[in-house]
Amino acid sequence: EAGVTQFPSHSVIEKGQTVTLRCDPISGHDNLYWYRRVMGKEIKFLLHFVKESKQDESGMPNNRFLAERTGGTYSTLKVQPAELEDSGVYFCASSQSLRASTDTQYFGPGTRLTVL
Amino acid sequence: RKEVEQDPGPFNVPEGATVAFNCTYSNSASQSFFWYRQDCRKEPKLLMSVYSSGNEDGRFTAQLNRASQYISLLIRDSKLSDSATYLCVVNRYNFNKFYFGSGTKLNVKP
Repeated sequence: EAGVTQFPSHSVIEKGQTVTLRCDPISGHDNLYWYRRVMGKEIKFLLHFVKESKQDESGMPNNRFLAERTGGTYSTLKVQPAELEDSGVYFCASSQSLRASTDTQYFGPGTRLTVL
Repeated sequence: RKEVEQDPGPFNVPEGATVAFNCTYSNSASQSFFWYRQDCRKEPKLLMSVYSSGNEDGRFTAQLNRASQYISLLIRDSKLSDSATYLCVVNRYNFNKFYFGSGTKLNVKP
C-alpha cells in the first residue's frame, strides 16, 4: 500500500512569491493533517480536514496560508505571498477512522520550503 | 509552557546499552500518547502507541503515568540502527491534532 506522498520534496522561492504544496494521503483515509517544523522548533499542527471539510484550522499562522481538499482526496497548501519566516518543513499526515483522536497518523516525507 | 517537553539530548550510548527517555505533558486532558521515531531529514514514523497499562514491543517498552503526566520509553540492547530522534506525541480527547515534543536525539556507538 502506498504511503502518504508529498510534492515537491524541496522548494526554494523568493520572498513575495507563491508556492503550492501538495499532499496525497493514504487511499481511504478521511482525515488529512498539515504540520510544519521551523528550524529549531518542534513540529506544530496547522490544520485538519475530514474528507473535504476543514475540521480545525486553529494552527494556520495567518491568511497568507490557504489549504484546500477538493473532493476529499488530495490536499494543497498555498502560501501567498511567502515570507522568510515561512521557511521550514511542511509535513502532511493522514489517518483512517472516525475516532481520529486516538488514531495513528501516518506522515509523508515532507516538503522542505526555503524562502530567500 | 510547552504542551510536551523532552530532554533534547543527545544521548550517546554504546551498542547493547539500555537507555530511557522521559517526556512530560502539560494538559491533563491529553488522551492518546505515542512515540514516533524520526531519522535525519525523514518523516516521523510511529514507533509505538503508549497505553495506561504500559506496553512492550520487542526491545522497546513504553510506560504512561497519568498522575504525574509523563511518558517513558525504554530501549534495551541498543542497536546502531536505533540512532534517531525520538518524538513524544500527545493528543487530547476530541481533538485531532498531535502535540509534539521537540525530540530526543539518540546516538548508538559501536
